[in-house]
Amino acid sequence: DVKVTQSSRYLVKRTGEKVFLECVQDMDHENMFWYRQDPGLGLRLIYFSYDVKMKEKGDIPEGYSVSREKKERFSLILESASTNQTSMYLCASSFPGTPPDTQYFGPGTRLTVL
Amino acid sequence: AQSVTQPDIHITVSEGASLELRCNYSYGATPYLFWYVQSPGQGLQLLLKYFSGDTLVQGIKGFEAEFKRSQSSFNLRKPSVHWSDAAEYFCAVGLGGTSYGKLTFGQGTILTVHP
Repeated sequence: DVKVTQSSRYLVKRTGEKVFLECVQDMDHENMFWYRQDPGLGLRLIYFSYDVKMKEKGDIPEGYSVSREKKERFSLILESASTNQTSMYLCASSFPGTPPDTQYFGPGTRLTVL
Repeated sequence: AQSVTQPDIHITVSEGASLELRCNYSYGATPYLFWYVQSPGQGLQLLLKYFSGDTLVQGIKGFEAEFKRSQSSFNLRKPSVHWSDAAEYFCAVGLGGTSYGKLTFGQGTILTVHP
């Protein structure tokens, strides 16, 4: 069965801390995505990666960075967490191609920054 | 740039009633359209998708959606709602070519089901 896992379901951090969110997929997907989900705003794309070590900014990359050293793992990094980064973070993965393939989502990490 | 609008933030229906969730998109070419569902505490799951051909597409859990190019809409329907359908529903549009499978999501519609 298809699986995308995220390292934590809930995370509480303090302002200024460096935060790592990890995502692992077992489907050999080339594409991986990080979204944040906020009420009334839907899902907004932060960063995505289409291959190992390749990354592209999404719609709201400010304050975030990413790392993809292995095909199955995609990490989201908050260099200095701020309270406005309190949100639900969702990771997804898919195969490449046209039309776009189904994205498979992890369960999400609810991050609270105090 | 493409965009997706879900006009209804919250919909409440009674169990057994019919359901229609609205989705409008803005995109110059033929879009690739998706509906996802997010049950409480879970990630998103694909309900159905439209790429081409028959404009009425069937999905999982008894859902269907109809693509109407003239109205730029892709509304989701179910003839009889079950209590387990209570969730948040997202419409999304995707591009082809070098977009790397990116999707643009709507704001979401929260569905509440009354017994």
